[in-house]
Formats: sequence, C-alpha cells, structure tokens
Amino acid sequence: AQSVAQPEDQVNVAEGNPLTVKCTYSVSGNPYLFWYVQYPNRGLQFLLKYITGDNLVKGSYGFEAEFNKSQTSFHLKKPSALVSDSALYFCAVRDMEDSSYKLIFGSGTRLLVRP
Amino acid sequence: DAGVTQSPTHLIKTRGQQVTLRCSPKSGHDTVSWYQQALGQGPQFIFQYYEEEERQRGNFPDRFSGHQFPNYSSELNVNALLLGDSALYLCASSLGQRSYEQYFGPGTRLTVT
Repeated sequence: AQSVAQPEDQVNVAEGNPLTVKCTYSVSGNPYLFWYVQYPNRGLQFLLKYITGDNLVKGSYGFEAEFNKSQTSFHLKKPSALVSDSALYFCAVRDMEDSSYKLIFGSGTRLLVRP
Repeated sequence: DAGVTQSPTHLIKTRGQQVTLRCSPKSGHDTVSWYQQALGQGPQFIFQYYEEEERQRGNFPDRFSGHQFPNYSSELNVNALLLGDSALYLCASSLGQRSYEQYFGPGTRLTVT
C-alpha cells in the first residue's frame, strides 16, 4: 500500500538557520514526490516536485528537496529560514505504476520559525 | 489568470442534511479532483473527474458523489451528513488526467452539527 510518513508534528527553527522537514514514503513502483505548503485559511500551494533526474530538486521560495531512493526519503530543506516560512507543510507521493492518479499525503509538519 | 476557485468558503449543516460544494478549475484545466482534509490530518483523495465522468475514487462511501460540467467546473455532493464529515474540502485542477501538477483551491470549510 502507498503511504507517506512525516515523523515530526512540528519543527522549530530560528530565523536565519537552516531547516529540514522530513518525509519518507512507501510505494510499490517508482514515485512521483511533491511538497506543498498550507497557510491558515488557505489551500495548498505547490512548492516542488521530483519526477526523475537529479536527486536535488529546487522549488519555490528558496526551498529544495533531496530524493534518496535507498532511504525512501524526500526531505524538504532551506538554507536560511524566514519567519514568513512558518506554515503547515505536506509531503505527497504518487505511484507511477498505479493507474490511479491520486496523491497520497502525509499528516503534515508545522514549521515554526522564531525571530 | 484565475486560479482554482471554490464556493462557499464556509458552510454549517445539521446531521442528516445534504450539501453541495462547487469548484471552478484553473483556466485551461480540464480535470478536477476532490480531497477531504480533516482537522490535523493531510488531505485524502475522494474522487477525480475528467471528461464529465468519475475516473478514480478513493475510499469514501457512496454518500459522496460528484459531477463535472461541460465547462469543466465540478460539484461535490454529500448526502446524509455525519459529524465526521466536518472537514476542509479541497478542489484541485490539472490539465489532463495523468498530469502530476495539481493546483489547489482555498477550500470549503464544512461544519456538521
């Protein structure tokens, strides 16, 4: 069965410090992987995706993510956090081998960047 | 270029009632997917509409149904509402059924009392 795990409910980091939000996945085939961000009372905003190619993916607002096939991970990173990055972050996966086109989401990680 | 729009923003219903939520996809998109996001959880796939037909369905009961119109807009209907149906309902649109880029709307917050 396809699944996504975000092991941390909340990540706290000081402004200017690097941040990492963790994600691991399980699919039977090859994965498509995504990160979305959700601000209060807003829908999901797309940050970045991994489909194929370079394991380091760069996305919006200075975020990047590293795909690690052996560890089945897709951690979200940013070299220098901003207070405005504080939000709810979701990792999602789609199984390339599955005829269903649905996204499977993790439970979310709340990022809190303190000034 | 308008993004995905949803209406209404908020809705309060009583157990047993029926509700209809609406979604207009991003300009140029022809596929609409619906997700349910319960409080403190990630979104869960309900179903996807393409060419006015339900193409894929998640693990939701038949009380959840939908429709897609010729202009690609979509409705989500929920019958016999339960307290557990209280959630944020998100609509996502894409170009083509197989597209891996989905654009989400702001959602409709449904409260069932």
